[in-house]
Amino acid sequence: DAGVTQSPTHLIKTRGQQVTLRCSPKSGHDTVSWYQQALGQGPQFIFQYYEEEERQRGNFPDRFSGHQFPNYSSELNVNALLLGDSALYLCASSWSGVVTEAFFGQGTRLTVV
Amino acid sequence: QQQVKQSPQSLIVQKGGISIINCAYENTAFDYFPWYQQFPGKGPALLIAIRPDVSEKKEGRFTISFNKSAKQFSLHIMDSQPGDSATYFCAASMNFNKFYFGSGTKLNVKP
Repeated sequence: DAGVTQSPTHLIKTRGQQVTLRCSPKSGHDTVSWYQQALGQGPQFIFQYYEEEERQRGNFPDRFSGHQFPNYSSELNVNALLLGDSALYLCASSWSGVVTEAFFGQGTRLTVV
Repeated sequence: QQQVKQSPQSLIVQKGGISIINCAYENTAFDYFPWYQQFPGKGPALLIAIRPDVSEKKEGRFTISFNKSAKQFSLHIMDSQPGDSATYFCAASMNFNKFYFGSGTKLNVKP
């Protein structure tokens, strides 16, 4: 079992550009959540996808959008990048059925210059 | 408004000692309280978790103590080892939806 995999692992973008991050959930999981972790802080919830729809959203602007595919994999898109978007972006997967825990990927380190 | 408050920010413990990290929450609707361990450059890894219907859960050297009336929970690491040096996050959630994380505790276990 490969667990939760994210790509790319590192990324450098320029202010104003757009970025797409990808996540493959753990086998058997159908729910994907995205978090932003700034340096030295705890992860902050961005949104959660289930059945290809955004089920919940945190306090993030519309520049942050996502998608979930039929195979449960997911993408996080960020438009009009700001310096403050520099962070570790984490994907967590879980199963919507009986109570279960969330598993995190290793994250994508995004640096905006 | 921070839903989960974590302390201390950093902790230094001698090898073999007990590490204690505390968290407090506000929302009584939270029904799942996990602790995550994170090494530099890695994603958080689930360490141990508890539901509010029990007051304590133990897994190996790791114990969660839960005080529902005080809305507090803590992580105890017994016989702390240098390999335990990492950042620890408490979290809380409702119905396994979004997790609210604490600000993290950087643990350094000295040999």
